[in-house]
Amino acid sequence: DADVTQTPRNRITKTGKRIMLECSQTKGHDRMYWYRQDPGLGLRLIYYSFDVKDINKGEISDGYSVSRQAQAKFSLSLESAIPNQTALYFCATAEGVHSYNEQFFGPGTRLTVL
Amino acid sequence: AQRVTQPEKLLSVFKGAPVELKCNYSYSGSPELFWYVQYSRQRLQLLLRHISRESIKGFTADLNKGETSFHLKKPFAQEEDSAMYYCALMTGGTSYGKLTFGQGTILTVHP
Repeated sequence: DADVTQTPRNRITKTGKRIMLECSQTKGHDRMYWYRQDPGLGLRLIYYSFDVKDINKGEISDGYSVSRQAQAKFSLSLESAIPNQTALYFCATAEGVHSYNEQFFGPGTRLTVL
Repeated sequence: AQRVTQPEKLLSVFKGAPVELKCNYSYSGSPELFWYVQYSRQRLQLLLRHISRESIKGFTADLNKGETSFHLKKPFAQEEDSAMYYCALMTGGTSYGKLTFGQGTILTVHP
């Protein structure tokens, strides 16, 4: 089945370390998104991409960067991790033809920054 | 700026009781609204969307532009409805389809 996968699923790192979270999809979707989930705050958009040449900041992009290596891959990097980046991170995809299409979410990556 | 508010962080009901999860939004454009659900140990997934005017798993949601609300309702809750529910607003025009999520409501249906 076509899927959205995230690696790693869990990660513990230290303040100041660089870390990359990876997202891959076999759905053939053009649009990809990175969100973080925090208790009481819901999901907040970090970055999104319409295609490999299109990268856009979301509402909380500070401290993060992304790379769209191919249609199927969208990576999120924390250049210098800090404790308040401890959260559950979700990747999502959607078809690019119609803006009302459903977003499909990956299983999430739980990141802890000590 | 767009905003979605779900005033209840936790909601508990008994099986068979009606349930309503509240969602209010603020957006200057024409809103498109969604409910997403996350069951235990499952991925976040779409439950229903305003534009489809559908009923999924017995849930319905009506867009009330006057009250800027999109409350999710079910007349008879089931234990399997226990989950985290997110209301979401689509913005960004027809190209990008950005979603703005509310804070989420954890629904617990007791037997």
